[in-house]
This record gives sequence, C-alpha cells and structure tokens, in this order.
Amino acid sequence: SQQGEEDPQALSIQEGENATMNCSYKTSINNLQWYRQNSGRGLVHLILIRSNEREKHSGRLRVTLDTSKKSSSLLITASRAADTASYFCATWGNTGKLIFGQGTTLQVKP
Amino acid sequence: KAGVTQTPRYLIKTRGQQVTLSCSPISGHRSVSWYQQTPGQGLQFLFEYFSETQRNKGNFPGRFSGRQFSNSRSEMNVSTLELGDSALYLCASSLDGASDAYEQYFGPGTRLTVT
Repeated sequence: SQQGEEDPQALSIQEGENATMNCSYKTSINNLQWYRQNSGRGLVHLILIRSNEREKHSGRLRVTLDTSKKSSSLLITASRAADTASYFCATWGNTGKLIFGQGTTLQVKP
Repeated sequence: KAGVTQTPRYLIKTRGQQVTLSCSPISGHRSVSWYQQTPGQGLQFLFEYFSETQRNKGNFPGRFSGRQFSNSRSEMNVSTLELGDSALYLCASSLDGASDAYEQYFGPGTRLTVT
C-alpha cells in the first residue's frame, strides 16, 4: 500500500495563481521528497526536506513538513502553464526505499 | 553528464511471453532502482541493485527479477507476462540508493503493453 496520500487528486488553476498540494504519510521518515512527472514520462526531483526541517524553499517552490501530523505541503507560487504536470510526494524511511503517494494532477490554464 | 537511459521506450508483448528491460545509470552511480507505475496502484518499488547485488526488494511476485552488471547497467525481466503487468517501468540511479543523502535520478521509462 502507498505510504503517502495526496490531496487534492486534481487541481486546476489560472496562470499566476498559487497551487498548494498536500501529502500525508503513515510511518516515521528520514526525509520526504517531491517529484514532478510530465504526461507519463520520467520523474524529476524537485525538493527534499529532512525530518528535522520544517520548511524549505527552492525558487518558486516552498515545502513544509509537520512530523507531528505526518504531513507535508508543496506550494508553487506564481504558477505557469509549464507547471502543468503530476506531482508526487515520496517518503524515505527505515525501509531504505522511496515510497510514493498517488499524486496530484495540476493543470495551469494560460 | 548524460542522464539515465532506458531501452526500449515502448514495448508490446503477448500474455505468457517474457520481457527484458534495460537501464543505463548516470556515470558514476552505483545504485539502480526499478519502479512500476500503473493508474490503479501508482508508483511501486520493485527492487534496488548496488554493486551487482540486490539490496532491497518490493512486494512483487518472483516473475519479476533483475540483475546489475559490473558497469552498473541493470536489466529487469518479467516472465510469463500477465495483462496486469502493463505499466510504465521506471528506473532511477543514485550514488548510493541506501542513503537518503543522495538524490535519485529517473529515466524516461519503458511503456510495456501486454495484450
């Protein structure tokens, strides 16, 4: 079964708006990672946040992590049409492997 | 530096046949992991190889197997194909897949269709 559950499953916004995606997980983790996938192609690593970090920024991306609630959020600011993709959270725990959530499909309308 | 490459990109097979997929990691990367992606089950970990040894394994039947060569290139094999094996198979390489310090780089995937 999947470690992470993502919410919402689908999101449609206008260019320039912010997009927020949430991820919840079940067991303790060493880190949580976010990936982007364009239309059934390979995954692109976006950002990694460690279990002792609460917030991390990378360009237009902001990730938060709340280990007490076992949840994370990814915020994309000032979205562009090129941000249209599926976004996955993945957790790295004691199993030594990445476990992915089901993903959020983001559509950014020009 | 060249990225992770996977061959073939697309494959159509018939039930009962077997298939071999290939993955060439980024130069210098010693860990290769394989994932299966389907609409119903999402992204699921198959196995990870490091220095020619399977170091980690997911919950897949024995029909799914793999190996890694001395140059870190990896192959995965699926025998006695079933319709449910239709999926996008992704491989990822990293310097050391067992360490959370290292990012995994994914290839473009092989789209397998079983008819």
